[in-house]
Amino acid sequence: KAGVTQTPRYLIKTRGQQVTLSCSPISGHRSVSWYQQTPGQGLQFLFEYFSETQRNKGNFPGRFSGRQFSNSRSEMNVSTLELGDSALYLCASSSGQGSSGELFFGEGSRLTVL
Amino acid sequence: AQTVTQSQPEMSVQEAETVTLSCTYDTSESNYYLFWYKQPPSRQMILVIRQEAYKQQNATENRFSVNFQKAAKSFSLKISDSQLGDTAMYFCAFYVTGTASKLTFGTGTRLQVTL
Repeated sequence: KAGVTQTPRYLIKTRGQQVTLSCSPISGHRSVSWYQQTPGQGLQFLFEYFSETQRNKGNFPGRFSGRQFSNSRSEMNVSTLELGDSALYLCASSSGQGSSGELFFGEGSRLTVL
Repeated sequence: AQTVTQSQPEMSVQEAETVTLSCTYDTSESNYYLFWYKQPPSRQMILVIRQEAYKQQNATENRFSVNFQKAAKSFSLKISDSQLGDTAMYFCAFYVTGTASKLTFGTGTRLQVTL
C-alpha cells in the first residue's frame, strides 16, 4: 500500500506570494489533516478534512485554507506569505471513522519564505 | 484544552543501552489515547507505540515500552537495547477520542544513539 504522498517536497517563495501544497492519503483513508512544524512552535494542528468537509480547525489566520477532493486528496493554500510561514508542512491521513487517532504522515513539504 | 510536556529537549544513549524519555500531559478528558511518534532526520514521522487510556496494562512493541501512570498523567517511553537507527526526534502526542484526528504534540526530545 502506498503511503502518504506530499508534493512538492521543497519550495521557496517570497513574501506576499501564495503557495499550494498537495497531499494524497493512503488508499481508503478519508481523513486528511495538516500540521505545521517549526523549531520554535513545534507541531501545530492546522485543520482536518473528512469526506470533503472541514471537521476541525486549529488556531491559524484565515490566510491558511484547505480543501479536500472527492478522491480524498487534499490541498492547503497559504496566501500573502510571511517570513514566519517558513516551516515543514506535514500531511497525515487516517480512516477517520472510529479511529484511535493514529495518523500516517507524509514526508512533508518544506516551505522557505524569503 | 490539552497540553503535552516533554521536559528533555535532548538525550544521548550508547548503543545497546536503555533510555527513558519523559512525557506528562494535562487533560480533563477521560477517553483518550497517547502516542509516541518518531521522526528520523529528514524522514517521515512514524508511530512507535500507542496506549489507550482505559487500559491499565502498559503497551509494548518489541524494544519499545511505555510506563503509563494515569493518575500522575505521565507517559514515558523506554527504549531497550538502543540501536543507531533509533536516532531521531521523539514526540509524545495526545488524542481525545472523537475529536476528528487532532493530535496535540509535545515539543519533542532529540535522541542521539552513539557507538
